[in-house]
Amino acid sequence: GNSVTQMEGPVTLSEEAFLTINCTYTATGYPSLFWYVQYPGEGLQLLLKATKADDKGSNKGFEATYRKETTSFHLEKGSVQVSDSAVYFCALSLNTDKLIFGTGTRLQVFP
Amino acid sequence: DAGVIQSPRHEVTEMGQEVTLRCKPISGHDYLFWYRQTMMRGLELLIYFNNNVPIDDSGMPEDRFSAKMPNASFSTLKIQPSEPRDSAVYFCASTFGLRTEAFFGQGTRLTVV
Repeated sequence: GNSVTQMEGPVTLSEEAFLTINCTYTATGYPSLFWYVQYPGEGLQLLLKATKADDKGSNKGFEATYRKETTSFHLEKGSVQVSDSAVYFCALSLNTDKLIFGTGTRLQVFP
Repeated sequence: DAGVIQSPRHEVTEMGQEVTLRCKPISGHDYLFWYRQTMMRGLELLIYFNNNVPIDDSGMPEDRFSAKMPNASFSTLKIQPSEPRDSAVYFCASTFGLRTEAFFGQGTRLTVV
């Protein structure tokens, strides 16, 4: 079946550190891939997306590249801030199925 | 558009009582999803609708849970009778099509005592 696997958290970093959150997927077909972010007390909101292989999604300094050969969509940011502390969800969507989320990775950034 | 609107934001109820959560999706969106989020189980899809018709309710935990979408602008999730283990944050989300961005509401935090 279709699924998303992302690294367990929490990920704890100091401000200005480099961030990577790994995400791999299994899908029958060619999905669209997403990263969502959930700040404390809020709903999920789209951070970035990519709709086909080799596409790079980017937003607010975050980037992720759709890698078909490794079925991955890792999230990266060169210099994190305290305000980036949140839970990050990787997700995929196909034409024939609902949006499928990973389990979420909590990021904690300390000054 | 004001986004996906959920009500109430917080609900505290006693075990055995009926609870109704409400959701207004974004106008023009044809898919509506209900999720439940807990620390133990993470984000779980309960049910989703397409054009007001339930498509997949395999995530609904028990017969105590039911969901309806009487029209394109309103959906309810009902728990009857409620139990303490139903305590969670319930989210509603809507999309236009399946490969597109999902817009989430702010959620309803349910506490059953």
